[in-house]
Amino acid sequence: DAMVIQNPRYQVTQFGKPVTLSCSQTLNHNVMYWYQQKSSQAPKLLFHYYDKDFNNEADTPDNFQSRRPNTSFCFLDIRSPGLGDAAMYLCATSRGQGVTGELFFGEGSRLTVL
Amino acid sequence: QQQVKQSPQSLIVQKGGISIINCAYENTAFDYFPWYQQFPGKGPALLIAIRPDVSEKKEGRFTISFNKSAKQFSLHIMDSQPGDSATYFCAANRDSGAGSYQLTFGKGTKLSVIP
Repeated sequence: DAMVIQNPRYQVTQFGKPVTLSCSQTLNHNVMYWYQQKSSQAPKLLFHYYDKDFNNEADTPDNFQSRRPNTSFCFLDIRSPGLGDAAMYLCATSRGQGVTGELFFGEGSRLTVL
Repeated sequence: QQQVKQSPQSLIVQKGGISIINCAYENTAFDYFPWYQQFPGKGPALLIAIRPDVSEKKEGRFTISFNKSAKQFSLHIMDSQPGDSATYFCAANRDSGAGSYQLTFGKGTKLSVIP
């Protein structure tokens, strides 16, 4: 059974039209992450939540926002997508402090910007 | 310096052979070194991981070798199988002290195991 579920799997949007990607988890993990992965590149951390505490990476553009309304759900909002934002967006979770550092990834949401 | 350098970019190995992927890092604050396996259209999945207090970890056909003084670590896949064909990412974690794992990934190695 899928433990980290991302929707939609494929999203097509127009240049500048806001888009929201969602992630849900059944693992009850404290931490949820959003990564951006462009074609043939490494995943790049955008930000993460430890419970309700939001942690933004220094080089994440302001165009990217996130919300975590409860433990199970986390959203990635791209306010004005540009062509350079076309990528696979990966959600991941991990337990909190003191336990294994394993990240559990979803299958990703592939964003196309026209 | 947050970079993790991974090589080779692609690798072709015959079935039954040994696949070796290398990674190097510069930040001595990294404290956890996982390898992730990613199949096309799927998210990465943890394969094996090591902490810097050991020099080697083996799980089945997969072994991590870790050289702390050289700041290098490598993945060895013994008896490589066609089902191992995937992209492999090394990664390193910097401990934020807050319980979250902020991984820096290498650029990945696309492994093809041919029959």
